[in-house]
Amino acid sequence: GQQLNQSPQSMFIQEGEDVSMNCTSSSIFNTWLWYKQEPGEGPVLLIALYKAGELTSNGRLTAQFGITRKDSFLNISASIPSDVGIYFCAGQLRGGSEKLVFGKGTKLTVNP
Amino acid sequence: NAGVMQNPRHLVRRRGQEARLRCSPMKGHSHVYWYRQLPEEGLKFMVYLQKENIIDESGMPKERFSAEFPKEGPSILRIQQVVRGDSAAYFCASSPGGPYGYTFGSGTRLTVV
Repeated sequence: GQQLNQSPQSMFIQEGEDVSMNCTSSSIFNTWLWYKQEPGEGPVLLIALYKAGELTSNGRLTAQFGITRKDSFLNISASIPSDVGIYFCAGQLRGGSEKLVFGKGTKLTVNP
Repeated sequence: NAGVMQNPRHLVRRRGQEARLRCSPMKGHSHVYWYRQLPEEGLKFMVYLQKENIIDESGMPKERFSAEFPKEGPSILRIQQVVRGDSAAYFCASSPGGPYGYTFGSGTRLTVV
């Protein structure tokens, strides 16, 4: 079945540093989404990407939808302690039932 | 403006019992999705429903699992004769339809002992 390869698996950074994580797939997606999940909670949508090559920002977060529709990256600038959590990429398939295929997540730890 | 409401938050069942997980979608949302998350893993699609209809159940195990979204009331994910491997977090999400990211609930954490 479809699979998203997300890297890195975990990151330990100092407050103020920039962060970059990415997802690749062998399948083409028509929508890419980035979610953040905190312990004991459900995923919260951060950024949605709908067009190949699209670059979208949400505050300190920037994400891009790869031109081939098979990859995406998420950057977080000037990290702060509340950025701690697990970040998931998710792809939505063409002509599908709107279901999402999730990566395994990048666990981010920010040291103050 | 309540979000997606799931209950219970935590559920403990003995092997062989039934588990019923409930999900009330956001107001105005007629599309409901169920996902399962194992520890240290991403979410895995189980089933997609609209009111009174199952649209896609390709991720649902063939046995013991069922889902419904009746005309009135919440969506229910039902697991019969639970086994230890069913222990996971189960998330419900809802959307108004269309290719947009949908809103997730806080999940039900099922533990089978």
